Amino acid sequence: QVQLVESGGGVVQPGGSLRLSCAASGFTFSSYAMHWVRQAPGKGLEWVAFIRSDGSSKYYADSVKGRFTISRDDSKNTLYLQMNSLRGEDTALYYCARGRRIEAAGPDCWGQGTLVTVSS
Amino acid sequence: QSALTQPASVSGSPGQSITISCTGTSSDVGAYNYVSWYQQHPGKAPKLMIYEVSNRPSGVSNRFSGSKSGNTASLTISGLQAEDEADYYCSSYTTSSNFCVFGTGTKVTVL
Repeated sequence: QVQLVESGGGVVQPGGSLRLSCAASGFTFSSYAMHWVRQAPGKGLEWVAFIRSDGSSKYYADSVKGRFTISRDDSKNTLYLQMNSLRGEDTALYYCARGRRIEAAGPDCWGQGTLVTVSS
Repeated sequence: QSALTQPASVSGSPGQSITISCTGTSSDVGAYNYVSWYQQHPGKAPKLMIYEVSNRPSGVSNRFSGSKSGNTASLTISGLQAEDEADYYCSSYTTSSNFCVFGTGTKVTVL
């Protein structure tokens, strides 16, 4: 079955960097677009970033544009999120999620998330 | 890009039907039939309940149904059960540069 396992979260100081990973299994990773979605403690879901199946298109939320970079390595079945210039408001549980065949249709399967805490 | 607007909370008794609204604009909900609904229990990952406005993934109960009119999408849960108590989020494709937007979330309480 589809499995998405995020890793790389932790505590980082404001202005610092972190790279999240998402290991995918149970489906043909290279055929699917992928998303990152985050959820601040006690808050709602916030879409963060999207990458097309072939990596040719990437989109970002205004709140992370210019600071975060989404990428993928199909040879490793792994999705990444490079996060730079981190701020307190980036503190959240970060989920990776698989896109549907029609990429505009949004995510279907989700991982369990990895927690990022930005604090001095 | 502003979040889609949902009521903060909706409640109902077991067996009743409830409807959650999701209001956007002509750039997102009103523009395309790419509205999804997710259920999230405390401490758990979101689960897809409805995709492309009204389609149910395999394994999702037919008590869950979706619809859309203009800039507002709706999720209806019929025959409310205790296990339906959770947070629900809508999402939509958006023609803005952001690509995807979620709703503010609705807490469903089964009385």
